[in-house]
Amino acid sequence: DVKVTQSSRYLVKRTGEKVFLECVQDMDHENMFWYRQDPGLGLRLIYFSYDVKMKEKGDIPEGYSVSREKKERFSLILESASTNQTSMYLCASSFGGAGNTIYFGEGSWLTVV
Amino acid sequence: GENVEQHPSTLSVQEGDSAVIKCTYSDSASNYFPWYKQELGKGPQLIIDIRSNVGEKKDQRIAVTLNKTAKHFSLHITETQPEDSAVYFCAASTGTGGFKTIFGAGTRLFVKA
Repeated sequence: DVKVTQSSRYLVKRTGEKVFLECVQDMDHENMFWYRQDPGLGLRLIYFSYDVKMKEKGDIPEGYSVSREKKERFSLILESASTNQTSMYLCASSFGGAGNTIYFGEGSWLTVV
Repeated sequence: GENVEQHPSTLSVQEGDSAVIKCTYSDSASNYFPWYKQELGKGPQLIIDIRSNVGEKKDQRIAVTLNKTAKHFSLHITETQPEDSAVYFCAASTGTGGFKTIFGAGTRLFVKA
């Protein structure tokens, strides 16, 4: 089974803190993604990466950055957390190529106070 | 831009009844249509998918239909059970590696025992 592991399930951070969300996948997938999930808005893509050290902006990249130093690991960074970044964050991965299934992690619930 | 509309946002059915969730997409280049189920506190999991060269696909109690001309696709769940209660997301994908996967806003399904 494909496993996408998000290291932190629940976090509470203060406004202005730097926040790291870590994600690891064990299926040698080329592509990795970070989504944000908010009620009524579905899943919105923040950033994705199709190879080590490569990254592309998604639909809502403002306020976020990412790092992919190894193929299996993709990190989401909030340089200065704000209350409007309180949300559920989902990491995902997939093989390269057309129309491949995206596999999600369990999610990280971030509250910024 | 491209979008995927999903209806209804909430659906309540009696155990044993059928449930239908409908999605429409705007990008005519979409060629892969996965459906995900998200249980409480978990990440979305793929339950069924369909590609543009197929009109219908069935897997036990769930089926998906695709009308490319009308840009509609639907999820059908028959003989619903309480464990089918979850949030369901449709998605439409173009290109490679799921980069351009657009998700619907989700349908919260309640199955009453």
